[in-house]
Amino acid sequence: EVQLVESGGGLVQPGGSLRLSCEATGFTFSNYWMSWVRQAPGKGLEWVANIKQDGGEKYDVDSVRGRFTISRDNAKNSLYLQMNGLRAEDTAVYHCVKAPPDYGTGRSTFDYWGQGTLVTVSS
Amino acid sequence: AIQLTQSPSSLSASEGDRVTVTCRASQGVSSDLAWYQQKPGKVPKLLIYRASSLESGVPSRFSGSGSGTDFTLTISSLQPEDFATYYCQQFNSYPLTFGGGTKVEIK
Repeated sequence: EVQLVESGGGLVQPGGSLRLSCEATGFTFSNYWMSWVRQAPGKGLEWVANIKQDGGEKYDVDSVRGRFTISRDNAKNSLYLQMNGLRAEDTAVYHCVKAPPDYGTGRSTFDYWGQGTLVTVSS
Repeated sequence: AIQLTQSPSSLSASEGDRVTVTCRASQGVSSDLAWYQQKPGKVPKLLIYRASSLESGVPSRFSGSGSGTDFTLTISSLQPEDFATYYCQQFNSYPLTFGGGTKVEIK
């Protein structure tokens, strides 16, 4: 059974930093593109970033570029999101999300989602 | 970035009704469009991929159609468990984007 379990969220002041982690089990983690998708309270879904199987390609949305960095450790079956320069508008539940097979470019749908970790940016 | 506009933003319907949700892309995305269902407090569930392909395990009352800029999600006979919010998502180009959602409520 595929499981994605996020951790690392919390309350942080504007301008602060957090590092989110996602532990993946139930599938061969190193074979799949992985993403972070966020959802602000009561709002819709926003894709944040993704990373190729070997970490050699990464893409992100303009609003986080230069502030957030996605990474992975295939030996630990883990995905990370380093978030710096946090802003109030980054407040959201951050989901670790797996891409289905056969999406070689990373431009994909999402077939498994973690429950998410809440990041709140407030003074 | 490709913008996806869903309509309506919400609708009220009764059990057994046929329900249609539309998603319009600001530029062509070919058939690179998916639909998700999200229930309160739950994570999104993939229903449809490649515009019209039904994800494994999804009931056949769900169907998708369209290509280019105009897409439709149809629920042929609304069931109690279908009351939820539905999102479209394009994966034709980066950044990957979602529509704003359509909330399907009980009439």
